Amino acid sequence: KQEVTQIPAALSVPEGENLVLNCSFTDSAIYNLQWFRQDPGKGLTSLLLIQSSQREQTSGRLNASLDKSSGRSTLYIAASQPGDSATYLCAVEAGDKIIFGKGTRLHILP
Amino acid sequence: DVKVTQSSRYLVKRTGEKVFLECVQDMDHENMFWYRQDPGLGLRLIYFSYDVKMKEKGDIPEGYSVSREKKERFSLILESASTNQTSMYLCASSFDDYGYTFGSGTRLTVV
Repeated sequence: KQEVTQIPAALSVPEGENLVLNCSFTDSAIYNLQWFRQDPGKGLTSLLLIQSSQREQTSGRLNASLDKSSGRSTLYIAASQPGDSATYLCAVEAGDKIIFGKGTRLHILP
Repeated sequence: DVKVTQSSRYLVKRTGEKVFLECVQDMDHENMFWYRQDPGLGLRLIYFSYDVKMKEKGDIPEGYSVSREKKERFSLILESASTNQTSMYLCASSFDDYGYTFGSGTRLTVV
């Protein structure tokens, strides 16, 4: 059974720092991996999608990598800003389901 | 950009009421999903649909039903609302391997 884990559950960093969020999954047979952002009380906003044949995707200050063999993905955020404060969720699509991690709650300190 | 629209941001309903949560997507996606999200439990799949008139149970279908009469619309129905169905409800759509797009969520409170 596929399980997705995100550690840490919460993270606080000063503004301007570069940071890495981690996601691990137990079964490497995935179709794709997607990173989402969720602001309090809101829906999920897709940030980056990495298909199984890809190793990374970039959008602005965000870079996501995927290593299927080791069951890991990272989301790199460069030059963090207070507006980056949110919960970041990782999700893997395998078979007919998408499995979500519990998320990392990120707080950027001004 | 794909848009997934959930008709209500906030709803307050009474115990025993029949509740309809509506979701519409505008990009002809085949697949649609309903999740609920609760603190500490993450997102849990209630029902999903891969085509019109088709529906499949997810992980927690008890107390819910769905309707998909048109491709763009997927409705979640709480047959008799109970307080333990107070939650954030999220609708999503997808197509092939192009990832999921979520709506903005409906915060339902059952009193």
